[in-house]
Amino acid sequence: SQTIHQWPATLVQPVGSPLSLECTVEGTSNPNLYWYRQAAGRGLQLLFYSVGIGQISSEVPQNLSASRPQDRQFILSSKKLLLSDSGFYLCAWSVLGGGEAFFGQGTRLTVV
Amino acid sequence: GQQLNQSPQSMFIQEGEDVSMNCTSSSIFNTWLWYKQDPGEGPVLLIALYKAGELTSNGRLTAQFGITRKDSFLNISASIPSDVGIYFCAGQPLTGANNLFFGTGTRLTVIP
Repeated sequence: SQTIHQWPATLVQPVGSPLSLECTVEGTSNPNLYWYRQAAGRGLQLLFYSVGIGQISSEVPQNLSASRPQDRQFILSSKKLLLSDSGFYLCAWSVLGGGEAFFGQGTRLTVV
Repeated sequence: GQQLNQSPQSMFIQEGEDVSMNCTSSSIFNTWLWYKQDPGEGPVLLIALYKAGELTSNGRLTAQFGITRKDSFLNISASIPSDVGIYFCAGQPLTGANNLFFGTGTRLTVIP
């Protein structure tokens, strides 16, 4: 069966520090991969999605970037965090071409 | 990104009552999904809809893909305390099938 792992679960980082969140998927090949951000009490905002290694599509301009160095690995990064980057970050996967998406447990990022 | 309008924003109901929530979009979607999110967790898929007019049930949950392909609803019958959470609709637009956009969520509170 397929599983998705996301870490760390919580993170407190100072303003201006770098960020690296990692997500890996097991049990499937060539998945679509997604990064979402959820502000407190709000909906999910699609940040990035990827249909293959090295292929990244950005949905909104921001202080973040994403990379997919391997088929089942998706990384969310920032060179310098802003206070407004705080939120709940969720990684998800779906089969290639789209459809049902399955989520990781999320990372709660607090920038102080 | 795509705008999905979900209503109501929140609901307070008595245990045993039925619940209905809906989601509309300004453009045609080829997939509608319904998720439930518990606090601090990633969303969990409840129901997936792939055809206009499709009506699908999962236990006490029933969802429909609107004929116009621009809307969907979710019904929960005979609510129980564990139904508490935030319910999200999500959809994939006809163009850009690898994108998955989420509604703003419906926060459900069930009063025992």
